[in-house]
Amino acid sequence: AQSVTQLGSHLSVSEGALVLLRCNYSSSVPPYLFWYVQYPNQGLQLLLKYTTGATLVKGINGFEAEFKKSETSFHLTKPSAHMSDAAEYFCAVSEGSSGDKLTFGTGTRLAVRP
Amino acid sequence: NAGVTQTPKFRVLKTGQSMTLLCAQDMNHEYMYWYRQDPGMGLRLIHYSVGEGTTAKGEVPDGYNVSRLKKQNFLLGLESAAPSQTSVYFCASSTRGENSPLHFGNGTRLTVT
Repeated sequence: AQSVTQLGSHLSVSEGALVLLRCNYSSSVPPYLFWYVQYPNQGLQLLLKYTTGATLVKGINGFEAEFKKSETSFHLTKPSAHMSDAAEYFCAVSEGSSGDKLTFGTGTRLAVRP
Repeated sequence: NAGVTQTPKFRVLKTGQSMTLLCAQDMNHEYMYWYRQDPGMGLRLIHYSVGEGTTAKGEVPDGYNVSRLKKQNFLLGLESAAPSQTSVYFCASSTRGENSPLHFGNGTRLTVT
């Protein structure tokens, strides 16, 4: 069975600082990996996804994530935080081709200090 | 460009009451999903549908029923609400096809007293 672990339910960074959100997964087959972002009072939006090929994936709003099979990780980074990045971030893993096989992590809420 | 629309946005029920949450999408997506979001638990799949007239159980289906009579609509029903069903409910849709991203509605906040 697949699972996702997000270390830290809350993260606070200063504006301009590096953002690092951690995600580790377990999967019995090569996984498909996703990061979603949720702004207050909204649904989730796709930030980026990894399927096959290049292990460094670039997403919207300057975020990127690197798939490391040996570490079973898919950490999300952004070099310089902006106030507008304050949101909750969810990592998700899928072993199948459709959303019914998607498993979400518990989320990390990012706060950005001025 | 509505995307996925959920109604209502908020609802308060008493224990034992029933209600239906409506999800509508205008993207001609085949797949639709209902999730619930609870603090510290992420999103959990309640029911989903891979096409008009078909539904299937997800991770936490007990106490809920669904119907997909039209491709664009996916209804979630609570026949006898319980306080444990207090949650934020999200509908999502996606195309058929490998790794198609989910498109989410803005959620329905349900409180059962």
